[in-house]
Parts: sequence; structure tokens; C-alpha cells
Amino acid sequence: DAGVTQSPTHLIKTRGQQVTLRCSPKSGHDTVSWYQQALGQGPQFIFQYYEEEERQRGNFPDRFSGHQFPNYSSELNVNALLLGDSALYLCASSSLREGRETQYFGPGTRLLVL
Amino acid sequence: AQSVTQPDIHITVSEGASLELRCNYSYGATPYLFWYVQSPGQGLQLLLKYFSGDTLVQGIKGFEAEFKRSQSSFNLRKPSVHWSDAAEYFCAVGAVTGFQKLVFGTGTRLLVSP
Repeated sequence: DAGVTQSPTHLIKTRGQQVTLRCSPKSGHDTVSWYQQALGQGPQFIFQYYEEEERQRGNFPDRFSGHQFPNYSSELNVNALLLGDSALYLCASSSLREGRETQYFGPGTRLLVL
Repeated sequence: AQSVTQPDIHITVSEGASLELRCNYSYGATPYLFWYVQSPGQGLQLLLKYFSGDTLVQGIKGFEAEFKRSQSSFNLRKPSVHWSDAAEYFCAVGAVTGFQKLVFGTGTRLLVSP
């Protein structure tokens, strides 16, 4: 049973560019959440998707957007990249059936903005 | 609003010694509480969780945590630390109802000395 997978593992972009990160949830999970983890910090909640709709959003600007597909996979898009967007981006999945409280995390995508 | 405080940024423990990592939370009711571990360059692995009932919860890898409502604490313990336990440990709190977002502390880095 595959866990949460994310791609790519690493990414280097320059300021002003746009980036798309991808996440496949754990088998049987229908809810995907995205977190940003800056160096030396705990993860910060970006947003959460269920049934292809954004259900909750953290304190992140509109440059951060997402999408969930019918197969429950998800994308995180960041426009107009800033140096401060450099971080580890973590995807977590959960399931209404199992109790949405428990989130399982993927290995993350490390984004470096130059 | 939910918040989590992990007062110890770094802790060094000798191999074989006992360990206690502190976590204090702020939430209006009894929350969901979690401990995650993160090895260098990796995602987060769930160690244990508390939802209700017995205030002493057992997790993987020999870890346990105790929920103390009166102190708003959820400290993580292990009776005998192994060198492989060296990692970053995050405490997180989640709301009891609705769609979940986790609020994390800033983490405690555990170093294990021989």
C-alpha cells in the first residue's frame, strides 16, 4: 500500500517564476492538505482540499493556489515566486472514513528560489 | 486560535537514558494532539495521537505521551533512547470538529550522545 507521494523531490526556481508541485494521497484517502516548512520551523498550514474544493485556507497570499483532481491527487501552484518561498512543501492526506483528524505526510518537495 | 509551544529547541540525551520532550498547547476545548518525528531531509512520521479516553497513549518506536488537561500539556517520553531516535520532534494540535488543519510547534531537535 503506497503512502503519500510527492513530486518532484527538489526544485530550483528564480524569483518571479511559477512552480507546480504534485501530490498523490495514500490509497483510500480523499482529503489533501498542504503545508510549508521553512528552515528551522514547524510546518505551516496552507490549504486543504476535499471533493475538489478548497475547504480551509491558512494565512497565505493568493499567489498560492491549488487543485484537486477526481482521483484525489492534488497540485500546489505558487506564482511570482519570492526568495521567502524557499521551503520544504509537505503534502498530507487523510480520509473522512478513517476520521479526518489523522494526517499522513509525504516526503516533501524542497523548493529553492534564487 | 490554536497554538503549540515547544520550549526546548535542542535536547541532548545519552544513549540508554530516558527522554521527555515538552509540549504545551492552547485551545478552547479538548483538542486532538499529535507527535510527529522528522529525520533530516524527510517528511513527518506520526508517532502517536490523543483524541479522548486514557490520557496515557502509546505510540510507535517505544514512545508514549501523557495528556494533562490541567497543565495544557502533552509531553512525549521514552524510557531508553537509541541513537536512531536522533531527529526533530514536532507536537501538533488539531480542532475536534470540521475539516482539520494541524498547528505545529517549532520543534525540538534531539541529539543522542554515545
